[in-house]
Amino acid sequence: AQSVTQLDSQVPVFEEAPVELRCNYSSSVSVYLFWYVQYPNQGLQLLLKYLSGSTLVKSINGFEAEFNKSQTSFHLRKPSVHISDTAEYFCAVSDRVGTGNQFYFGTGTSLTVIP
Amino acid sequence: KAGVTQTPRYLIKTRGQQVTLSCSPISGHRSVSWYQQTPGQGLQFLFEYFSETQRNKGNFPGRFSGRQFSNSRSEMNVSTLELGDSALYLCASSLVMWGTDYYEQYFGPGTRLTVT
Repeated sequence: AQSVTQLDSQVPVFEEAPVELRCNYSSSVSVYLFWYVQYPNQGLQLLLKYLSGSTLVKSINGFEAEFNKSQTSFHLRKPSVHISDTAEYFCAVSDRVGTGNQFYFGTGTSLTVIP
Repeated sequence: KAGVTQTPRYLIKTRGQQVTLSCSPISGHRSVSWYQQTPGQGLQFLFEYFSETQRNKGNFPGRFSGRQFSNSRSEMNVSTLELGDSALYLCASSLVMWGTDYYEQYFGPGTRLTVT
């Protein structure tokens, strides 16, 4: 089974500053990688995903993540954060289990953007 | 297209009772997965149903069970509730495409269960 580690449980950052949310997973075999965002009282929304191809993936709202196979990492970055980015962020890994896929989630990183 | 819906959104039960949560997937999605979300533990996988069959199961006691109906709607049942079962229960639906080994999950807003 996979395990996903999000190294920082809380990250405070000033508005317009850059941010990096770290994620490491346990196995280097073929996996799919995801970042989800959760706003208060809502479910999780997919932010971006890595399936194959270019190791750098980007979202429409300025976030990007880089897949590093040798370091089994998938860190999330944004060069300039906004107040609206305040939310809980979850890193997830999917691998094939039996006839389906199983998703493994990290414990989440709470990003707080300070005005 | 309507998103994943979960009912009820909030629930308060006492220890020893049982509870049933419902999830309606996005139209056309045949896979439904359930997760338990608690502070500090993150999301933990409960089980996945596909075409009315349980396809994968996480590491939870037998008090947690589920089922899926022919219209892909799914229910999750927890019997003999314990205080530690207080959590946000999330349901996710997926469109499984033949010939691929990946599918994207779309989450509902969750059911907040409080056990007193």
